[in-house]
Amino acid sequence: DAEITQSPRHKITETGRQVTLACHQTWNHNNMFWYRQDLGHGLRLIHYSYGVQDTNKGEVSDGYSVSRSNTEDLPLTLESAASSQTSVYFCASSDGLAAYNEQFFGPGTRLTVL
Amino acid sequence: AQSVSQHNHHVILSEAASLELGCNYSYGGTVNLFWYVQYPGQHLQLLLKYFSGDPLVKGIKGFEAEFIKSKFSFNLRKPSVQWSDTAEYFCAVKGTYKYIFGTGTRLKVLA
Repeated sequence: DAEITQSPRHKITETGRQVTLACHQTWNHNNMFWYRQDLGHGLRLIHYSYGVQDTNKGEVSDGYSVSRSNTEDLPLTLESAASSQTSVYFCASSDGLAAYNEQFFGPGTRLTVL
Repeated sequence: AQSVSQHNHHVILSEAASLELGCNYSYGGTVNLFWYVQYPGQHLQLLLKYFSGDPLVKGIKGFEAEFIKSKFSFNLRKPSVQWSDTAEYFCAVKGTYKYIFGTGTRLKVLA
């Protein structure tokens, strides 16, 4: 069965370190998204991609970067981790740009920045 | 600006009670609306979606939602909740490209 996987599932790091969160999907979807989930804020979009070599900033992109070298993967990098980036991160994917296309979510990565 | 508001942040109900979670959106064009559910420790899953046609949408597990264009609303309902419905519920609107999520409503159902 097709799925989205995220790794690691839990990560503890220190302020200032570079961290990369992996997202891999086997749906063969063109579109991939990264969100962070924080209490009282719901899901906020960090970055998204509509295809290979395409990346776009979301509403909370500062301090994060992504790259899309193939269809299956969209790794999220925190260049210099900050305590404010402690959160749960979800990757999602969807097929095409049709309005009714739902997003499929990964299991999430819980990141703690000390 | 596009936005989604979920006014109920926490809801506590007893089993068999009826549920209605509010969702209001702000968007100038054609909207497509979704409700997602996140059970404890799990990822988000689609409950139901609306993109055209009958404004009353049926979803999984007995949930339904009604799109009322004049009120910019897409409220989620269930006639009789179960303990297993304890979860966080997110409303989302999709415009041309992106999804905008509400802040979520945490539902706790007491057995």
